[in-house]
Amino acid sequence: AAGVIQSPRHLIKEKRETATLKCYPIPRHDTVYWYQQGPGQDPQFLISFYEKMQSDKGSIPDRFSAQQFSDYHSELNMSSLELGDSALYFCASSLGQGVDTQYFGPGTRLTVL
Amino acid sequence: SQQGEEDPQALSIQEGENATMNCSYKTSINNLQWYRQNSGRGLVHLILIRSNEREKHSGRLRVTLDTSKKSSSLLITASRAADTASYFCATGPGTYKYIFGTGTRLKVLA
Repeated sequence: AAGVIQSPRHLIKEKRETATLKCYPIPRHDTVYWYQQGPGQDPQFLISFYEKMQSDKGSIPDRFSAQQFSDYHSELNMSSLELGDSALYFCASSLGQGVDTQYFGPGTRLTVL
Repeated sequence: SQQGEEDPQALSIQEGENATMNCSYKTSINNLQWYRQNSGRGLVHLILIRSNEREKHSGRLRVTLDTSKKSSSLLITASRAADTASYFCATGPGTYKYIFGTGTRLKVLA
């Protein structure tokens, strides 16, 4: 069965650079979630989209923005990167309005030097 | 503050033994999900239990939910070395987001 696809899997950036992470949800899933997991930390909710509209917002820095496109894929844009942004970034998708299972992608490991 | 708190934070058992992990949360929920994460890797969904359910089984996994105590437990029976991982509960307090607990690190010794 198709799973959530994230790209790239690994990304190395310098401080103050910009990064774009991509997420392709499971086919027919209309809801996408982004999470950040720092080293040894639990996943922290960043933002979610339902039917291409932002549906909820968590602890996402103002330097980050995200959107969901017409094909339901989503991109997380991160600017003015800081060392503390180094983390695993997970995307998850679900079908329907949030009462169904979230399926996670493999994550993108971002390292900021 | 965390919505979900797992207990214990770390658990070490022998292969074949049962492992029980608990999760407590603070607000009302629509459902609760348990995930497994191997070190530095993706989150694998284990079980979703809805707020009107009390118990659910999946293979060697058994999840209970007590909404009056705002708690859930995950039981892994006949544990195997491959069960070594971190286990998180995630609660759906709202429609569109889930809040993860701090996780239980399970180590199963062969």
